[in-house]
Amino acid sequence: QKEVEQDPGPLSVPEGAIVSLNCTYSNSAFQYFMWYRQYSRKGPELLMYTYSSGNKEDGRFTAQVDKSSKYISLFIRDSQPSDSATYLCAMSATSGGSYIPTFGRGTSLIVHP
Amino acid sequence: DSGVTQTPKHLITATGQRVTLRCSPRSGDLSVYWYQQSLDQGLQFLIQYYNGEERAKGNILERFSAQQFPDLHSELNLSSLELGDSALYFCASSPSVTGGNEQYFGPGTRLTVT
Repeated sequence: QKEVEQDPGPLSVPEGAIVSLNCTYSNSAFQYFMWYRQYSRKGPELLMYTYSSGNKEDGRFTAQVDKSSKYISLFIRDSQPSDSATYLCAMSATSGGSYIPTFGRGTSLIVHP
Repeated sequence: DSGVTQTPKHLITATGQRVTLRCSPRSGDLSVYWYQQSLDQGLQFLIQYYNGEERAKGNILERFSAQQFPDLHSELNLSSLELGDSALYFCASSPSVTGGNEQYFGPGTRLTVT
């Protein structure tokens, strides 16, 4: 079993839909939870990060962490065609003083007009 | 634009050769991370440097090595290249030594080994 599991998709939704992206994990030591967006042939771009459990909102994006279930989610409201990309979840635990992220494989999102 | 630069953008080389990938972090960032991204393995952490010193090591092959220079740019050296080394190589920088929650990625170097 991989430490971080993420459905690769693709997830196809109409413009304006609410999108839910999810990851599960097995390492209870993870403390930071991040979401990255990666457009084709580009580097990952940090969207948001949260520490421990709870919710965090930034514009149309909301991240949720449920440590008891080892489950994290990213919600995108009013999705736009420009949101079409691969979304990577990442989680980190301390390793000798550094927090090294473990990434999910990514979910491909397609928002069609 | 993240502020992290990587050169070259593309690299095509033959098996057995050696290449050097270069990364310049965002202004003020002292931490540099190297990652390999392939279709079958996803994004894999290779190594971290902080202010010139190695801080953490991931699944980096012995054929691969890295360093960070006094001006904070970093180089990843890949030697005795194999077909399986073909991948995207990303560099990321972070403002802190712990850094795992906030990393800024460069555009990557696409390596093709033939």
